[in-house]
Amino acid sequence: SQQGEEDPQALSIQEGENATMNCSYKTSINNLQWYRQNSGRGLVHLILIRSNEREKHSGRLRVTLDTSKKSSSLLITASRAADTASYFCAPATVDQAGTALIFGKGTTLSVSS
Amino acid sequence: EAQVTQNPRYLITVTGKKLTVTCSQNMNHEYMSWYRQDPGLGLRQIYYSMNVEVTDKGDVPEGYKVSRKEKRNFPLILESPSPNQTSLYFCASSERGRGYTFGSGTRLTVV
Repeated sequence: SQQGEEDPQALSIQEGENATMNCSYKTSINNLQWYRQNSGRGLVHLILIRSNEREKHSGRLRVTLDTSKKSSSLLITASRAADTASYFCAPATVDQAGTALIFGKGTTLSVSS
Repeated sequence: EAQVTQNPRYLITVTGKKLTVTCSQNMNHEYMSWYRQDPGLGLRQIYYSMNVEVTDKGDVPEGYKVSRKEKRNFPLILESPSPNQTSLYFCASSERGRGYTFGSGTRLTVV
């Protein structure tokens, strides 16, 4: 699999605001996954969006995928202090157990109250 | 509860003293993997296993060994640890079509 590149590297917002993070990748994918990591803890899987999907929702999370632009975005609506974390995207080129996900450096989100 | 369990959470050891970090998953996942995370370098894959007795190198395998004798366990072995292996280590498992489940991490310091 390939590495995704998250943008921006860091994002600071106030509670209640929306946070948007972007991910770009280079080659065709089967699916793209988003993860969250709280400081020093393991990554937590948020959403998996397949290449034939354009948008997916999970609670306050909305992920879009544009395969023509090879990009994805993660929107967190009505942010809370608890959303403070690093967010990673991971493009997967095949849909099989054992797809070696390669993680980028992530977007560090800080939500202040 | 479905989870990946790593032990220990924290470990301080001396150079050259063999150590094993254990990883166990209770989800019957075929795929397991080890990553290390370092400031400025992000997460890098060390080894992975597609199934029992099937293991392969990731991006940074030097100085590490793994084994997969049973489906649920995937220990990481450092035969002769060195200070450059000081890092935060994560074990993860997955099944087809799903995301990874990560363990809570092992913070290793080699002095």
